[in-house]
Amino acid sequence: DVKVTQSSRYLVKRTGEKVFLECVQDMDHENMFWYRQDPGLGLRLIYFSYDVKMKEKGDIPEGYSVSREKKERFSLILESASTNQTSMYLCASSTPTDTQYFGPGTRLTVL
Amino acid sequence: RKEVEQDPGPFNVPEGATVAFNCTYSNSASQSFFWYRQDCRKEPKLLMSVYSSGNEDGRFTAQLNRASQYISLLIRDSKLSDSATYLCVVSFMDSNYQLIWGAGTKLIIKP
Repeated sequence: DVKVTQSSRYLVKRTGEKVFLECVQDMDHENMFWYRQDPGLGLRLIYFSYDVKMKEKGDIPEGYSVSREKKERFSLILESASTNQTSMYLCASSTPTDTQYFGPGTRLTVL
Repeated sequence: RKEVEQDPGPFNVPEGATVAFNCTYSNSASQSFFWYRQDCRKEPKLLMSVYSSGNEDGRFTAQLNRASQYISLLIRDSKLSDSATYLCVVSFMDSNYQLIWGAGTKLIIKP
């Protein structure tokens, strides 16, 4: 069965803190994605990776960075958290020709 | 103009009724289409792919109209458990399989 896990379900951080969100998949998928989801908006792609050490900017990369040192793990980093980064963060993985499978999401609140 | 548009709803429907909603997309080069279901505070999960010839999965029927650039989802004999947000997803076939997401249509099935 497909499994994508995220390090935290809920996270509260303060403005200016560095935040790490971890995502792990056990399906040997090449592609991994980080999205944020806000009320009234569709999922917006922050970054994606199609191979180890490869990364591509999505639609809203500003204020974020990513790391993919191993195939199964894709990390999202908020270098200096701001209140407008309060959101639901969703990680997904896929093969190059298949649809995406999601982790349970991390609800991040930045105070 | 948004690339993928959906009526946000909510659609309030009595149990047992049939409900249908559409999703329009702006890019005629779109090649793959999906419906995802998202329960409150949960991650999106693939409901069904949408094929050119239309497809059915139990009580769910998906249709694609390329000429008018929309896809539809029909739910027959609706159940209380069908209450969720339904996300329309469109992709352009490339090696990285990026998806464009609608903001979702909220469906509430009432007893």
